[in-house]
Order: sequence, then C-alpha cells, then structure tokens
Amino acid sequence: NAGVMQNPRHLVRRRGQEARLRCSPMKGHSHVYWYRQLPEEGLKFMVYLQKENIIDESGMPKERFSAEFPKEGPSILRIQQVVRGDSAAYFCASSRSTGDGYTFGSGTRLTVV
Amino acid sequence: AQRVTQPEKLLSVFKGAPVELKCNYSYSGSPELFWYVQYSRQRLQLLLRHISRESIKGFTADLNKGETSFHLKKPFAQEEDSAMYYCALSIGGTSYGKLTFGQGTILTVHP
Repeated sequence: NAGVMQNPRHLVRRRGQEARLRCSPMKGHSHVYWYRQLPEEGLKFMVYLQKENIIDESGMPKERFSAEFPKEGPSILRIQQVVRGDSAAYFCASSRSTGDGYTFGSGTRLTVV
Repeated sequence: AQRVTQPEKLLSVFKGAPVELKCNYSYSGSPELFWYVQYSRQRLQLLLRHISRESIKGFTADLNKGETSFHLKKPFAQEEDSAMYYCALSIGGTSYGKLTFGQGTILTVHP
C-alpha cells in the first residue's frame, strides 16, 4: 500500500495562473481531507470530501478555490488565478471512516511568483 | 468555535530528561484529542489519540477535561524524539473527522 500520494511535491505558478493539486487516498479509504499550512502557522482545515460529495467546505476561501473527489481518480484541489498569498503547503489526508485517524500525504508546496 | 493552543513553539531538552509538550483546547462539548508527529523529511503521522489510552514510543497523554488540556509526556526523552508535534481536536456531528490543529511545537532533544 503506497499510502496517500500527493503530486506534484512542488509547484511553482505565476500570479494569475491556475494550480491543480492531486491527492490519491490510501486503498480502501473513501474520506479525503485537505489542509493548508501557511508559513509560521499550523494546519488549517479546508475541505472534507467523500466520493462525488463535498461534506464540509467550511474552511475553503469563498472565491477561486474548489475541490472535487470524483468516482474514479484522485481528489483535486484547484486554485484559479493564484496570488502570492496562496503560497503554502497543501496537505491531503484520508481515512476509512470518520472515526479513524488520518493518514497524511507528503504535501504539495505551492509557490506563487 | 473550537481552538487548540500549543503555547511553546520551541522546546529543548537533554537526552534522558523528562519532556512535556503542552496542549490546551477550548470546546464546550466532548472532543476527541490527538497528537500528530512529523519527523524530519517525513510525513505527518498519528502518534496517539486519547480514546486509545495507549503509550506509543514511551509517550502518553491524558485528557484533563477540568483544565481542558491534553499534554504529551515522556519520562526519558531520546534524540530520535526530535520532531514537530501537533495537538489536534475533533468534534462530533457533521464535523466529525475534521481536525483543528494547534500551531505545533518543535522538540529538540540534545545528546
């Protein structure tokens, strides 16, 4: 079992471009969570998804950010028209059920230049 | 809203000394508390959760509802314990599964 796979590990985008971050959960895990870690801060919850459903997106910025977890394929966190303030580490985690602890991916470090 | 506070950003101890990483939370209900650890160049991983009441790598943590604390303790620190430690909280209902993290404490154990 390869664990939670996130790609790319590092992503550089110019202001105004789009960033697409991918997360493949562990085999057998149907719950996916995205967190953001800004410099000098802890991890902040963004969104919780199950297959084809967004369960809780209370931590997502209202504009430019979207997430999906399709029936087939990885979960995608999409940031449109990136700005410098979007530069952060984005972590994905998965679990088998809501009562289980998470398994985290290695994260994607987004740099907006 | 729930909140997790880790008052120490940095903590240094010598090998063999006791170590305590502090975690306080604010939530009016009955949360579930976790400690996560991130070793150098590794991914974040679960260390322990309060409902398990287990000891992992010599670490224990007791939930004190009166003081709203979940401090992580180890009687004799080892150099390999050097890492970033995060305290996290989960609440029930539709938010179950969503974690609120503290800002983390970097533990350095000197030889």
